[in-house]
Amino acid sequence: GAVVSQHPSRVICKSGTSVKIECRSLDFQATTMFWYRQFPKQSLMLMATSNEGSKATYEQGVEKDKFLINHASLTLSTLTVTSAHPEDSSFYICSARSQRGPYQETQYFGPGTRLLVL
Amino acid sequence: QKEVEQDPGPLSVPEGAIVSLNCTYSNSAFQYFMWYRQYSRKGPELLMYTYSSGNKEDGRFTAQVDKSSKYISLFIRDSQPSDSATYLCAMSLLGNRDDKIIFGKGTRLHILP
Repeated sequence: GAVVSQHPSRVICKSGTSVKIECRSLDFQATTMFWYRQFPKQSLMLMATSNEGSKATYEQGVEKDKFLINHASLTLSTLTVTSAHPEDSSFYICSARSQRGPYQETQYFGPGTRLLVL
Repeated sequence: QKEVEQDPGPLSVPEGAIVSLNCTYSNSAFQYFMWYRQYSRKGPELLMYTYSSGNKEDGRFTAQVDKSSKYISLFIRDSQPSDSATYLCAMSLLGNRDDKIIFGKGTRLHILP
């Protein structure tokens, strides 16, 4: 099946620093990538939808200046958490939509990045 | 009323039992239904997807969709301890590349050895 990777898998940073998380589709081209955050024992919360070559679409309540998304190619999207604070600590997961396969709407998830802001 | 309702559990069953996981939804326009499995501290893994009402089987897993009742189920036969995870139902409309997938909150499943 399609593989999505994320890097880093875990990051610990000081309050006020910026953190960049990469999401890559390894064996397929993804025109659309999604960024989610998940708190312990909670469901996935969609933060933004990222289309290659265009600006990301943010969900209501998500600060676009704080969570910068760049989808530079069909295999790479990045999420930068700027001036991170302890309340930004969470599990960030990306997913990518495949252009191939029997169902083009299928969405594949990365393994997630655990962010801890001290 | 939330778009997708899913009992969070936890659900504990003995090894070898049949597990039934369920979701209800309110939007009759949903056409595409999925089940994801998420192990602790990992990203969700797509288990099954289907467009149509009825049953779809894959090994020990059977996905069932009843569009008239707006109800979907995932059955796991001969459950194993390795099936212990959170199971998320998901659904979407079709035809638009920006179409959002709506997730249930997930049901935590424990298979007791």
